[in-house]
Amino acid sequence: QVQLVESGGGVVQPGRSLRLSCAASGFTFTRHAMNWVRQAPGKGLEWVAVISYDGSTKYYADSVKGRFTISRDNSKNTLYLQMNSLRAEDTAVYYCARVTVAAEYATFDYWGQGTLVTVSS
Amino acid sequence: QSVLTQPPSASGTPGQRVTISCSGSRSNIGSNTVNWYQQLPGTAPKALIYSNSQRPSGVPDRFSGSKSGTSASLAISGLQSEDEADYYCAAWDDSLNGVTFGGGTKLTVL
Repeated sequence: QVQLVESGGGVVQPGRSLRLSCAASGFTFTRHAMNWVRQAPGKGLEWVAVISYDGSTKYYADSVKGRFTISRDNSKNTLYLQMNSLRAEDTAVYYCARVTVAAEYATFDYWGQGTLVTVSS
Repeated sequence: QSVLTQPPSASGTPGQRVTISCSGSRSNIGSNTVNWYQQLPGTAPKALIYSNSQRPSGVPDRFSGSKSGTSASLAISGLQSEDEADYYCAAWDDSLNGVTFGGGTKLTVL
């Protein structure tokens, strides 16, 4: 069965860095684009970034552009999100989400359970 | 302020039919497909409707989606208590080069 397991969340001071991972299993990882989506406490969903199946194409939300980097290691079936220069407003649960094969990037068919990132001094 | 506009709340009694709207623009809903996600309290979101009106396997046919122009709707018929959740629409935006979500609609089953 499809599984997406995020890790790497925690408490970090403003201005510091953190790297999130999303371990994928139960499907052919190399066939799917992948996204990161976040949700601040008590708020709605906010898209963060997407990466194509082969890593050649990446798009970012304006709120994270220049600070966050999405990447993937297809040999390890793992998606990453490198987060630099963290701010208090980056505090959220971060979800990885799989894009349906050959579908538009907003077509998520599976989501992970999320990992909480808290930016606080 | 979300690019896609949803009502913040909706409600209905068991057995009723409820609709949730999602309004966008030419660059998002007008040019791309709409997807709907359900988030039950304390859980991760789940795919509910994709490509405007398609249901993933396992989603009851009480849930249906439609799109017209720059707007979309999610309809839930035969409302059940377990449908109480937050519902989000989403679409790719060609101008932003990114995924846009609606602000979410909290559905209450009275």
